[in-house]
Formats: sequence, structure tokens, C-alpha cells
Amino acid sequence: EDQVTQSPEALRLQEGESSSLNCSYTVSGLRGLFWYRQDPGKGPEFLFTLYSAGEEKEKERLKATLTKKESFLHITAPKPEDSATYLCAVQVTDSWGKLQFGAGTQVVVTP
Amino acid sequence: GAVVSQHPSRVICKSGTSVKIECRSLDFQATTMFWYRQFPKQSLMLMATSNEGSKATYEQGVEKDKFLINHASLTLSTLTVTSAHPEDSSFYICSASPGQPHEQYFGPGTRLTVT
Repeated sequence: EDQVTQSPEALRLQEGESSSLNCSYTVSGLRGLFWYRQDPGKGPEFLFTLYSAGEEKEKERLKATLTKKESFLHITAPKPEDSATYLCAVQVTDSWGKLQFGAGTQVVVTP
Repeated sequence: GAVVSQHPSRVICKSGTSVKIECRSLDFQATTMFWYRQFPKQSLMLMATSNEGSKATYEQGVEKDKFLINHASLTLSTLTVTSAHPEDSSFYICSASPGQPHEQYFGPGTRLTVT
């Protein structure tokens, strides 16, 4: 059975305090791993897609990396506006377009 | 570009009534649309996948007679919650894909409260 597990469930950071979020996965075949940001009461906002182990992508203070078993989302020098729930999702090779989401990591960045 | 809208954003209905939620792709044609449900403090759970002009494919455990999905055009899909009950109260989110499986754009969600 395909599984996606995110840790920690919640993370409280001081502004400027860098940290990493983890997404571990067990799937039959990975087509892609996705990171989204979700603000309260809103739909997910796309951040990154990673396709193969060793791949890295960056956007402003965020950097996503992928291995064969897990992905990390690194937040460098976060600001209060980075506060959100970060969702990881996998797309497996035998299911067109379907995304299986992890439970998310709620990040709060305080000034 | 790649904007997906949902209407209404919030709806409150009485138990036993039906509610229709619309999902529109505003600036692209969506060959496939997905419907998700999200309970408080939980992640998104896929309910069904719909392709324009064909019947939706429902995930295991999702009642197709209760959650009616119509994908009548390349820019519009609707989800109708029939005979809604309080346990159907949730955040319903749609996503739309213009054709490539890795491309999926999410709507802002619809908060349904059944009293």
C-alpha cells in the first residue's frame, strides 16, 4: 500500500531560524513528488515537483530535495509570511494524475 | 495563468437538502478534474477523478450516488452532495489538469456546513 508520512506535525520557528520538513514515502512506482503550501481556508498552492532521486529545486527561501525514500523541504531564514501548512503529495506511475497527500506540517514563524 | 475557481466559497444547508459546488478552469481547458475533501486538521483525500464527457471514477469508500460529479465541458465540473448530513460537513477542493499528469491546479475550496 502506498504511504506518505510527513514530520513533524507542527513546527514553531523564530524568524531567521532555518529548518527542514520531512516527507517519507513508500510507493510502488514514483512518477513525481509534489510540495504545496496551504494557508487556512484556502486551496493548496503549488511549490515544486521532483521526479528523480538527487533532484533539487529552489524558490526564494525554500529548497526541496528528493531521495529514493524521502523528500526534504528546507526553509532558510524564514519570515512570518512563510507560516502555513506544507503538504507533500506523491503521484504513482499507474494512476494518471492522482495525488496522495501526506498529513502536512504546520509551520508557524514568529517575529 | 492557470486559475481555477470554485463557487460558492461557503455554503450552509439543512440536513437532507442537496448542494451543488462548481469548479471552473478560467484560462485553460481541463481534460481532467479532481475532487478532494479535507476534514479539519487533516490532509486532502481524493474523492473522484472526472474526465470531460465521461463518467467519474470514484475512490474506494466514496458513495457515487451521494456525491454526483458532472464534467460537462472542458472548463466546468460540478459536485453535488445529495441528501447532505452533518457528517458531510467538510472543505471540498477541486483541481484541474490541462493534460499532463504532473500539471494540476487547485481551486480555493468550498466550505460546506450541514446543520
